[in-house]
Amino acid sequence: AQKVTQAQTEISVVEKEDVTLDCVYETRDTTYYLFWYKQPPSGELVFLIRRNSFDEQNEISGRYSWNFQKSTSSFNFTITASQVVDSAVYFCALSDALNMLTFGGGTRLMVKP
Amino acid sequence: DTGVSQDPRHKITKRGQNVTFRCDPISEHNRLYWYRQTLGQGPEFLTYFQNEAQLEKSRLLSDRFSAERPKGSFSTLEIQRTEQGDSAMYLCASSWTAATIMNTEAFFGQGTRLTVV
Repeated sequence: AQKVTQAQTEISVVEKEDVTLDCVYETRDTTYYLFWYKQPPSGELVFLIRRNSFDEQNEISGRYSWNFQKSTSSFNFTITASQVVDSAVYFCALSDALNMLTFGGGTRLMVKP
Repeated sequence: DTGVSQDPRHKITKRGQNVTFRCDPISEHNRLYWYRQTLGQGPEFLTYFQNEAQLEKSRLLSDRFSAERPKGSFSTLEIQRTEQGDSAMYLCASSWTAATIMNTEAFFGQGTRLTVV
């Protein structure tokens, strides 16, 4: 069975601080995919990134960066110089080839001005 | 096409009533998924369609729930004899897959929030 754990239920930072959201996953599959989604108050899940299990390269997109480590089964997400607009709930998710996502419980990020 | 759309956005119903939600996926997407999200939790998979075929159902999908995707376009999710425990956000997502590209990102709609009173 697949499982995703986001141990941080809520994080509060002040604008311009860096923040890292943790994600640990469990799966028996050798091929799998990891995702991060953002859920603002409007409710829609916004896709941020997708990684497959064979690609451990870290990725940077603007102020966002992701660190994938198979050795520790982690896929952490860092926001650099956080902004108030980053306030949302962030979900880490895991899927097999069939795209059925298993989500973590989410981390609520509050960025204060 | 601006994305996945769901209707209605909010639904309040009395216990025991039937409700139906609609999802219109991104037009070229052949896969469609339904998820349920309760307050403070991550979404949980309910079922998915490849074109018009329903290929997988979670054990969360009791016999009071039925989903259809006629002609492989829009989908409906019906809940019969609603219970208070059905109160949740129902999210629809769609993605495009091919024989050589089985896993791609899923795009989500804004969801239908159901409240059973």
